[in-house]
Amino acid sequence: GENVEQHPSTLSVQEGDSAVIKCTYSDSASNYFPWYKQELGKGPQLIIDIRSNVGEKKDQRIAVTLNKTAKHFSLHITETQPEDSAVYFCAASFYFGTGTSLTVIP
Amino acid sequence: GAGVSQSPSNKVTEKGKDVELRCDPISGHTALYWYRQSLGQGLEFLIYFQGNSAPDKSGLPSDRFSAERTGGSVSTLTIQRTQQEDSAVYLCASSLRTDQPQHFGDGTRLSIL
Repeated sequence: GENVEQHPSTLSVQEGDSAVIKCTYSDSASNYFPWYKQELGKGPQLIIDIRSNVGEKKDQRIAVTLNKTAKHFSLHITETQPEDSAVYFCAASFYFGTGTSLTVIP
Repeated sequence: GAGVSQSPSNKVTEKGKDVELRCDPISGHTALYWYRQSLGQGLEFLIYFQGNSAPDKSGLPSDRFSAERTGGSVSTLTIQRTQQEDSAVYLCASSLRTDQPQHFGDGTRLSIL
């Protein structure tokens, strides 16, 4: 099956700075790459997704990039706010990375 | 509208007992997934149902774990002869297709004494 790696496992940034989370996948046939945010005691919630026919997608302060050749995709959060603090997961279809715990320091 | 519903929200049981965890997906979603999340860890894929196709059981960790989906809707994950290492949060999700966003329930927190 698919193998998704995610880095870093923890990330601390000052409020207003940017945060970047990177993922790689192994199956070149994968064509759907969602990102989820999980808050304590809750199930993950989709924040943005990208498909293989697109290299970049943006939604307000969140952007994702995809490099199919290198099998890399990344999440970028700009102007971070304390409420962005959570665990973020990348996925290739329904196979998940190991998660990044993001802390935004006020 | 209603989201994915899981029950019970918490379950405490003794080692060696069998447990059943239930998932009610969003109506019309043909794909249903089960994951296990240990404390502070990622989501470990367990099993996936898509319509009437045979389920993908490739993630089930042992033959003590099984799942079924009746009538293409409600799913039950069964763990037989529970062990302490089975303690985790079990998450269920559903989606229209595998290339569509998953909608998660809030999970069942299972504790094996």
